[in-house]
Amino acid sequence: AQSVAQPEDQVNVAEGNPLTVKCTYSVSGNPYLFWYVQYPNRGLQFLLKYITGDNLVKGSYGFEAEFNKSQTSFHLKKPSALVSDSALYFCAVRPWMDSSYKLIFGSGTRLLVRP
Amino acid sequence: NAGVTQTPKFQVLKTGQSMTLQCAQDMNHEYMSWYRQDPGMGLRLIHYSVGAGITDQGEVPNGYNVSRSTTEDFPLRLLSAAPSQTSVYFCASKRGSGGADTQYFGPGTRLTVL
Repeated sequence: AQSVAQPEDQVNVAEGNPLTVKCTYSVSGNPYLFWYVQYPNRGLQFLLKYITGDNLVKGSYGFEAEFNKSQTSFHLKKPSALVSDSALYFCAVRPWMDSSYKLIFGSGTRLLVRP
Repeated sequence: NAGVTQTPKFQVLKTGQSMTLQCAQDMNHEYMSWYRQDPGMGLRLIHYSVGAGITDQGEVPNGYNVSRSTTEDFPLRLLSAAPSQTSVYFCASKRGSGGADTQYFGPGTRLTVL
């Protein structure tokens, strides 16, 4: 079965420290990978995506993600966290040959950045 | 450019009532979709449309209907609401048939069925 796992329900980090939000996936074929962020009572905002090419993808608000094919992972990173980064983060994968173009989402990771 | 808009923001229904959740986009996107978000489960695809006049079922279509008469609008109808349909509903759109295209989400509708 195709799936996305976000193993941490919550990640706590101090402002100014680096952060990592983990994501692993299980799909057949070559996936397209996405990260979205959701602020309270808001919709999902697109952060970045991996399609092909360089394994390190840079996105909005200073976030980046590293694609690792052998470990089937797509971890989200930021060198220096801000309090305003506190939100719910979703990893998603689109199976390459899925004609519905559906995104398979992980269960989400809540990031809490303390001052 | 408003992006993807949804109405209403909040709705409370009684079991058995019907209603329509509205979704519109002004980006001339061909593809539109509806997801529901439940605690601890991420988002799951309900229905999708690859263009006006074309709709298809996603992972969890039971109890929902859709239609796509225009490129801009993609309403989701609950035929007879059930407590299991209590959820947050998100509409999304993307440019076309490219698998790598980014999907853009609306602000969501929080629905409670009593």
